[in-house]
Amino acid sequence: LAKTTQPISMDSYEGQEVNITCSHNNIATNDYITWYQQFPSQGPRFIIQGYKTKVTNEVASLFIPADRKSSTLSLPRVSLSDTAVYYCLVGDPPMDSNYQLIWGAGTKLIIKP
Amino acid sequence: EAGVVQSPRYKIIEKKQPVAFWCNPISGHNTLYWYRQNLGQGPELLIRYENEEAVDDSQLPKDRFSAERLKGVDSTLKIQPAELGDSAVYLCASSPRDRVGVAFFGQGTRLTVV
Repeated sequence: LAKTTQPISMDSYEGQEVNITCSHNNIATNDYITWYQQFPSQGPRFIIQGYKTKVTNEVASLFIPADRKSSTLSLPRVSLSDTAVYYCLVGDPPMDSNYQLIWGAGTKLIIKP
Repeated sequence: EAGVVQSPRYKIIEKKQPVAFWCNPISGHNTLYWYRQNLGQGPELLIRYENEEAVDDSQLPKDRFSAERLKGVDSTLKIQPAELGDSAVYLCASSPRDRVGVAFFGQGTRLTVV
């Protein structure tokens, strides 16, 4: 199971674009990359999932370079309500019946006014 | 569509007492997870069910923890007896068959053992 490395914390300001990078040097061929967001006193919430290149939804974009050894979650024009912990996970959900998500400590993002 | 429902939201018990948590996953989701989350850490998987079968319980402390998922829908997680170190948030999540890597979480149960 691939291990991920993320910054422990980041600060930014309202209206800015925030990019959180996750390193996963040992990612396997079949592994997908999934990002979650967690607010205090709530369970994590799925944000985005991708395999390669770029994925975009109404919340964020996920950039994955060709070697897939890292990925970047991009949050456009953040607001105070984007203050949360963001988790990056890698794994092979569609193929591995023993698939197990391993969660790190995540990145604590603080948005300032 | 209703999300994952957990109860209770908060529970305070004395050590050595039993406690149980209940989870109702999203309708139609085959996969159900129980996680434990300590302050400042990511969730730690305790057990994963595929329908009513526990397919991964390697991280479940079986001497005091037990879980069941009757009829492949609702699930309960029990601790007996509870220890001080069991204080944590217990999260339930579920995934649909075609999106196993995407888990939908409940709000969790915050357990305090005193």
